Amino acid sequence: QVQLVESGGGVVQPGRSLRLSCAASGFTFSSYGMHWVRQAPGKGLEWVAIISYDGSNKYYADSVKGRFTISRDNSKNVLYLHMNSLRTEDTAVYFCARLMIQGVFDYWGQGTLVTVSS
Amino acid sequence: DTQVTQSPSSLSASVGDSVTITCRASRMVYRYLHWYRQKPGRSPELLIYGTSNLQSGVSSRFSGSGSGTDFTLTITSLQPEDFATYYCQQSYIVPYTFGPGTKLQIK
Repeated sequence: QVQLVESGGGVVQPGRSLRLSCAASGFTFSSYGMHWVRQAPGKGLEWVAIISYDGSNKYYADSVKGRFTISRDNSKNVLYLHMNSLRTEDTAVYFCARLMIQGVFDYWGQGTLVTVSS
Repeated sequence: DTQVTQSPSSLSASVGDSVTITCRASRMVYRYLHWYRQKPGRSPELLIYGTSNLQSGVSSRFSGSGSGTDFTLTITSLQPEDFATYYCQQSYIVPYTFGPGTKLQIK
């Protein structure tokens, strides 16, 4: 069965960096694009970034462009989100999700909480 | 960016009722409109994709319709597990955007 397991969240000071990971299993990871989506406490869902199946194409939300980098290691079945210059407004649960046809997120991980606070 | 709105923002209903949630996009998204359910403390789950296609394993009590900029999600015969928050999402153009959510509560 498809499994996505995020890790790497925690408490970090503003301006610092953090790297999130998403370990994938139960499907051919190298055949699927992947997303990161976040949800601030008590708020709605916000799409963050997408990477194509081979890593050749990447797109970002304006709110994270230039600060966050999405990447993947198909040999290890892992998706990453490198987050630099973190701000308090980046505090959220970060979900990884698999890209199905038509830009749909068909499987989601359980999420990892990032708290940016001094 | 393509803005997505939902109405109502919250809704009260009873087990067995039917409800309809509306989603509107600020520009044409054709049929690239999808619906998710999020139970408290859980990750979202896909219900409907491409406006009206039922995701595998999802109850036929869920149905979607619409095109262009206006879409609806209908849930019939509400069950206790349906009381959750529902989000629509457009994937016609990056950045992909979600609606603000509709919280469905038990009356």
